[in-house]
Amino acid sequence: NAGVTQTPKFQVLKTGQSMTLQCAQDMNHEYMSWYRQDPGMGLRLIHYSVGAGITDQGEVPNGYNVSRSTTEDFPLRLLSAAPSQTSVYFCASRGGSSYNEQFFGPGTRLTVL
Amino acid sequence: DAKTTQPNSMESNEEEPVHLPCNHSTISGTDYIHWYRQLPSQGPEYVIHGLTSNVNNRMASLAIAEDRKSSTLILHRATLRDAAVYYCILSPTGANSKLTFGKGITLSVRP
Repeated sequence: NAGVTQTPKFQVLKTGQSMTLQCAQDMNHEYMSWYRQDPGMGLRLIHYSVGAGITDQGEVPNGYNVSRSTTEDFPLRLLSAAPSQTSVYFCASRGGSSYNEQFFGPGTRLTVL
Repeated sequence: DAKTTQPNSMESNEEEPVHLPCNHSTISGTDYIHWYRQLPSQGPEYVIHGLTSNVNNRMASLAIAEDRKSSTLILHRATLRDAAVYYCILSPTGANSKLTFGKGITLSVRP
């Protein structure tokens, strides 16, 4: 199993540009989520999904869109990037027999100039 | 959501046991206690979770107070690789339960 994969690892955007952060998992997990982590801070939940076709907002959803057309993929779209969205983004998934164990991807480091 | 309180940081010596405390005085009856850790420049990883009874796994032990208002993560023999931020999180089990991360406790391990 590859677990949770994220692409790209690094990205630099200019203010106003849009982009999609990709997240995929091969564990057939129902639950997937996106977090952001700013320097010296804990993780904050952006959006989450409890299954294909179902998404909901987390703590800091503004400026981000998500969709869940398949169980495996959960992309995060930045509509119009702002410097305040400079952060490290983590995707996570959980489900199956170990529902209490959440698996995290390696993260995407995003800089918005 | 019930909150947790952890010290900002702790130091330990290599090969000695480490006890990381967490207070959660407003825990509800359905809240599980989860611990995750985050090594430098990596995503968080699951360590252990429990509800009422003490729990052991290959990584650590979780000791839960009888009134459930506090818990302690125990690393039996710290290694340099255990230097990380450790997060204590409360969350009910279930499909829609969310994990809310605080700032955690930064563990330093001295050689």
